[in-house]
Amino acid sequence: DGGITQSPKYLFRKEGQNVTLSCEQNLNHDAMYWYRQDPGQGLRLIYYSQIVNDFQKGDIAEGYSVSREKKESFPLTVTSAQKNPTAFYLCASSTQSEVGGYTFGSGTRLTVV
Amino acid sequence: KNQVEQSPQSLIILEGKNCTLQCNYTVSPFSNLRWYKQDTGRGPVSLTIMTFSENTKSNGRYTATLDADTKQSSLHITASQLSDSASYICVVSGGSNYQLIWGAGTKLIIKP
Repeated sequence: DGGITQSPKYLFRKEGQNVTLSCEQNLNHDAMYWYRQDPGQGLRLIYYSQIVNDFQKGDIAEGYSVSREKKESFPLTVTSAQKNPTAFYLCASSTQSEVGGYTFGSGTRLTVV
Repeated sequence: KNQVEQSPQSLIILEGKNCTLQCNYTVSPFSNLRWYKQDTGRGPVSLTIMTFSENTKSNGRYTATLDADTKQSSLHITASQLSDSASYICVVSGGSNYQLIWGAGTKLIIKP
C-alpha cells in the first residue's frame, strides 16, 4: 500500500541536542512538507520541497533544517537553536498540482526533557 | 490578514445525532477550501476539497457547503458514530502566494 511513514512516533530531546525526524513516502509525490502542530493552533509550515535537492523555508523555519536528497525522503532536523521544540510534527506529501490534497504521515511527538 | 476561524472550539453530542461545524475565512484571493479529519495522535485525513464554483459536496455522512460570497463553509455530519470523535480542520488555499491557511480545528466528541 502506498503511504507516508514518519518515525519515530515519540522522541525525547535533551537540552542542547539535535534530533532528526524521518519522513518517507512511496506515493511518487514530488512535493513534501513539514508542519508543526501546537494545541489550540492551526498547523504551521516549517519547510517544504517541490523537487529533489531543492527546498524552501516556511513560516517558522528558524531552528530547523531539512534535506531532500531523494524523492522519497524528507528528514527534518530540530537543532539546539529551536528554543521551544516540544510539539507534534507532521510530514505531508502531494502531487505538484495538489490534486486530492495532501497525504499526511502519523506524526512524531517531540518532547524536551 | 488571511485568517481561518472555526467554531465551535469543541462540541459534545450523543451518538446518532447530527451536527454542523463552521468555518469563516478572510483569505483573498480564494483558490479552494478543504476539510480534514484528525484522530488524536494521528495525521489529518482529507474529507473534501471545494473550489469556488462548488456549493455542496458530500463524502458519505459528511456534507460540506461553501458560500464564497460570505466566505463561510460548514461541515454537516449526519447520524454521528463514535468513530466520528476527532478534530475537524478547515484549510483555505489562497492569498498572494496561494499558501494553505489552517484553522485551529473543532474538537468533536461523540458520546454513547
